Amino acid sequence: DVKVTQSSRYLVKRTGEKVFLECVQDMDHENMFWYRQDPGLGLRLIYFSYDVKMKEKGDIPEGYSVSREKKERFSLILESASTNQTSMYLCASSGRSSEMNNEQFFGPGTRLTVL
Amino acid sequence: KQEVTQIPAALSVPEGENLVLNCSFTDSAIYNLQWFRQDPGKGLTSLLLIQSSQREQTSGRLNASLDKSSGRSTLYIAASQPGDSATYLCAADSWGKFQFGAGTQVVVTP
Repeated sequence: DVKVTQSSRYLVKRTGEKVFLECVQDMDHENMFWYRQDPGLGLRLIYFSYDVKMKEKGDIPEGYSVSREKKERFSLILESASTNQTSMYLCASSGRSSEMNNEQFFGPGTRLTVL
Repeated sequence: KQEVTQIPAALSVPEGENLVLNCSFTDSAIYNLQWFRQDPGKGLTSLLLIQSSQREQTSGRLNASLDKSSGRSTLYIAASQPGDSATYLCAADSWGKFQFGAGTQVVVTP
C-alpha cells in the first residue's frame, strides 16, 4: 500500500520560531509537493521538487524554503513563523511528469498553529 | 495559467440518490485529471485518475468522465450513502503541476 507520511498531525509554535515539517514517501516517486489549505482559498502550491536537490517555487513561496537531500524525503521550512502561516499543510508525491498514469498521493496533513 | 472550477460549491442529497459533481478546466493540454475525496481535517484520498487519452474511468459506484475538448470532467456516484459525505476535489495535471478546484462539499442525508 502506497504511503506518504508527515512528521506531525498537529503542531503549535510561537511567532519567530523556525519550523520544520517533514514528509516521507515510500513509492520511489520523483516529484514531491508542499501545499497549504485554507478555508475559502483551497489548495495552494508552496514548492515542489522534481528530483533530489531540485526545487521550484509554487504559487506562494514567500516565507518558506524547502530541502530535498534524499529522494524519499521533502522538508518544508518556515524560517521565522508568523501568525499568517497558521494553516493545514499537505505533502504529496507523484511519479515522473511524463508518465501516463501519474497519480498524486497525499499525506494526512499537519495542522500548524502559530501563536 | 490553468484554472479549475467546481460547481456547485455545496450539495445536499437524500440517501440513495445519484450524485453528479462537475469540474471544468481552461487549458485542455493536460496529462491527467484526478478526483479526490477529503474528510474534515484529513488529507486527500485519491478516487480516480483519468488519463488524457481516456474518456472515462470506473471504480465500484464511482464513474468519472473526461471531455478534453470542452474542458470538463464529471464524477458520478451511484446510490449515494451517508458515508459519501465529504468534500470532493478535482485536479488537472498540466506538465507535472496539479491545479486544484475549490471542491464540492457533499452531504448525504439518511
